[in-house]
Amino acid sequence: DQQVKQNSPSLSVQEGRISILNCDYTNSMFDYFLWYKKYPAEGPTFLISISSIKDKNEDGRFTVFLNKSAKHLSLHIVPSQPGDSAVYFCAASGGVTGTASKLTFGTGTRLQVTL
Amino acid sequence: DVKVTQSSRYLVKRTGEKVFLECVQDMDHENMFWYRQDPGLGLRLIYFSYDVKMKEKGDIPEGYSVSREKKERFSLILESASTNQTSMYLCASRGDWPGVTDTQYFGPGTRLTVL
Repeated sequence: DQQVKQNSPSLSVQEGRISILNCDYTNSMFDYFLWYKKYPAEGPTFLISISSIKDKNEDGRFTVFLNKSAKHLSLHIVPSQPGDSAVYFCAASGGVTGTASKLTFGTGTRLQVTL
Repeated sequence: DVKVTQSSRYLVKRTGEKVFLECVQDMDHENMFWYRQDPGLGLRLIYFSYDVKMKEKGDIPEGYSVSREKKERFSLILESASTNQTSMYLCASRGDWPGVTDTQYFGPGTRLTVL
């Protein structure tokens, strides 16, 4: 049972335009959400996160939006750059400490930013 | 800067061999995790540990075991490697003190091939 879903396996966007990556979840106990970026042959690196008490969090070109009622979050990258080409994973957790701190990951979306 | 290192980047083993994957973190983190990443399946949690000598099964623990004798080191053991365990294995660690986000820091990964 996939509790975190990224329904678009790939996305292609032109340089300078907006990239929107989507993620849906089914477990209402999740209260913290993260986006990770992964280049080939490297481990994922943390990008941005959002707590369930917020509906938006911004960090430079990256903004994450959370719609709790729809159990949906999205990552916006504006403007997109060629270096943003990577696989993006959405992840969720149900707490901060101990066993609740484990993350459930989505299947990933491969973003390609073209010139 | 948090550093998570994994003992090998690439490993080739034969069916039936016992395989050890080692992970070391240098940030005194309480929590450590082992994932495997497969195309179309994202990152799936195998085992995690929230303290020395403590371990919990993740979503896909079958065929694996773990050991955490020291806080900085978390080992993944494949008791008898099989071809369906060919995958990218990723280790992660995370702190557990108030005010810190749920960020997990990942190692570079070990690409294991079982022949």
